[in-house]
Amino acid sequence: SAVISQKPSRDICQRGTSLTIQCQVDSQVTMMFWYRQQPGQSLTLIATANQGSEATYESGFVIDKFPISRPNLTFSTLTVSNMSPEDSSIYLCSVEDSYSNSGANVLTFGAGSRLTVL
Amino acid sequence: DQQVKQNSPSLSVQEGRISILNCDYTNSMFDYFLWYKKYPAEGPTFLISISSIKDKNEDGRFTVFLNKSAKHLSLHIVPSQPGDSAVYFCAASYATALIFGKGTTLSVSS
Repeated sequence: SAVISQKPSRDICQRGTSLTIQCQVDSQVTMMFWYRQQPGQSLTLIATANQGSEATYESGFVIDKFPISRPNLTFSTLTVSNMSPEDSSIYLCSVEDSYSNSGANVLTFGAGSRLTVL
Repeated sequence: DQQVKQNSPSLSVQEGRISILNCDYTNSMFDYFLWYKKYPAEGPTFLISISSIKDKNEDGRFTVFLNKSAKHLSLHIVPSQPGDSAVYFCAASYATALIFGKGTTLSVSS
């Protein structure tokens, strides 16, 4: 499986500020996925990032709030803009596991970035 | 509306016994179901999957059962070990999307 590094692993942020999360993969991948896990909730897909094109956002998520960059096939960033306490979550980067033989759409996840907004 | 539901937030089991984690879903179009395990401060890791055309898949101590008529699946861990203590997420696949449940925290005591 791919190895995914995320930075920062955790941060405490002030209301109204923005924070950029970085995701580095050790191999080239076509699609990268950004998920959010709010406290006590499921993992929810924010957007899918393809290199060379605009990210595709899921219902309820907009580019102004969560701008995404995908400059190459191994790197992506997610910015959480104008943060409020409701943005306190774990943000996870993931990629498809090309080595999986299960037949399913298996994703490999980074360790996540835990953001606390005061 | 949640398409994938894990109605038990937590489960406690003694070492050596069976752990049964349950998951319900609403969408008949899901083609695969997956289980992920998550330790604190780590990302979820893939555990086992099952195709919607199967009713059982086994991998070592882990078995997943699928009941399509009931839209229900379960993960059996036998025998349970203390290292299995983690949060277990059920997920359903449709096209390129993975939809997750809220997770069940399994605690295995020695």
